[in-house]
Amino acid sequence: EVQLVESGGGLVQPGGSLRLSCAASGFTFSSYDMHWVRQATGKGLEWVSAIGTAGDTYYPGSVKGRFTISRENAKNSLYLQMNSLRAGDTAVYYCARGPHGVVTYFDLWGRGTLVTVSS
Amino acid sequence: QSALTQPASVSGSPGQSITISCTGTSSDVGSYNLVSWYQQHPGKAPKLMIYEGSKRPSGVSNRFSGSKSGNTASLTISGLQAEDEADYYCCSYAGSSAVVFGGGTKLTVL
Repeated sequence: EVQLVESGGGLVQPGGSLRLSCAASGFTFSSYDMHWVRQATGKGLEWVSAIGTAGDTYYPGSVKGRFTISRENAKNSLYLQMNSLRAGDTAVYYCARGPHGVVTYFDLWGRGTLVTVSS
Repeated sequence: QSALTQPASVSGSPGQSITISCTGTSSDVGSYNLVSWYQQHPGKAPKLMIYEGSKRPSGVSNRFSGSKSGNTASLTISGLQAEDEADYYCCSYAGSSAVVFGGGTKLTVL
């Protein structure tokens, strides 16, 4: 079955760190660009990071310097290392698949993992 | 990048057609034919409904269509059905390998 399954969410204190994982199955993981997209409760979607097939990475200003996306093709896995977490980072984090190249769309999504930043 | 602008809510009766607008700028929607639309039911992950402005993924009903004029993209749903009630988000490429989403539109089927 073609799917993405996120894990690693939880409760963390402000200033803390957390590492999210995404396990891919049913498709050739190494051939796709991969992304993290988050959604705060009751709010809209926000693109958080992207990694290309060659390992090139991209971030919006809101997380640049704090978040690091990486991938391990041999394990069909995507990761998001989140440091210096803030209350505003509280959200469900989705792993999403995109075509190789320019970010045109996300055609496969995981069910998400909840990250709560609170003291 | 600033979020794309969508109406907070739209509604329609079964069988009718509705259109959801998505307004960006000349730096995103206006510069690229790379707008995508997502449907999200409560508690579920988003689902791709339209990509590259007007293309439908396999399995998506042809009642869903996309278009663009200038800095505004639109999603039209014809023959509205109860199962179409959901939140809808637009998304556009914004250059420099970045994307921006709209704030979302809640569709109510009356």
